[in-house]
Amino acid sequence: EAQVTQNPRYLITVTGKKLTVTCSQNMNHEYMSWYRQDPGLGLRQIYYSMNVEVTDKGDVPEGYKVSRKEKRNFPLILESPSPNQTSLYFCASSPGTGLTGELFFGEGSRLTVL
Amino acid sequence: GENVEQHPSTLSVQEGDSAVIKCTYSDSASNYFPWYKQELGKGPQLIIDIRSNVGEKKDQRIAVTLNKTAKHFSLHITETQPEDSAVYFCAASKDTGRRALTFGSGTRLQVQP
Repeated sequence: EAQVTQNPRYLITVTGKKLTVTCSQNMNHEYMSWYRQDPGLGLRQIYYSMNVEVTDKGDVPEGYKVSRKEKRNFPLILESPSPNQTSLYFCASSPGTGLTGELFFGEGSRLTVL
Repeated sequence: GENVEQHPSTLSVQEGDSAVIKCTYSDSASNYFPWYKQELGKGPQLIIDIRSNVGEKKDQRIAVTLNKTAKHFSLHITETQPEDSAVYFCAASKDTGRRALTFGSGTRLQVQP
């Protein structure tokens, strides 16, 4: 089944404790991206990757890191989480790098930072 | 950068009625306008999209209209059913070589049986 898989789905952590949210897609998509969803703000892009070893900042990259060492994986790293990073996170992938083609989203990772 | 405003934030309709969600965008260069549906506990899913060279697009009970002059686009759902209850997001982007979709803030649609 074609899918984007995120882990963990739910996480409660404390300020400053490094964490990684994994994302894996099995559709051989070149483009992958991370979004955060907050009430009243919609989905905001954190980072994206056009291909292996090619990453760039989105609209809200502060406090996050990413890496793209393999085509299928695009982990999101919070090196020193803070309470304002409490949010619902979505990974998405898309075929190609052009405008056409839909975004395929994972089911989300709800993160709470105390 | 692009700014997308979406209204209303919540919408309640009776089953069988129509629902309309409206979005406006700021960047006149935007040329791609998708709509995503997010069911409870799931990620958003594309339901319909429209490009700037088209004024209207239909897919069964859903349709999207685009007014480039006014920079607004709308989602129309006819004959609503309880399974249409979800959060709907509009988005806009332009082909700059980067998938820079800017999303609206979302509309929670509730269809009352």
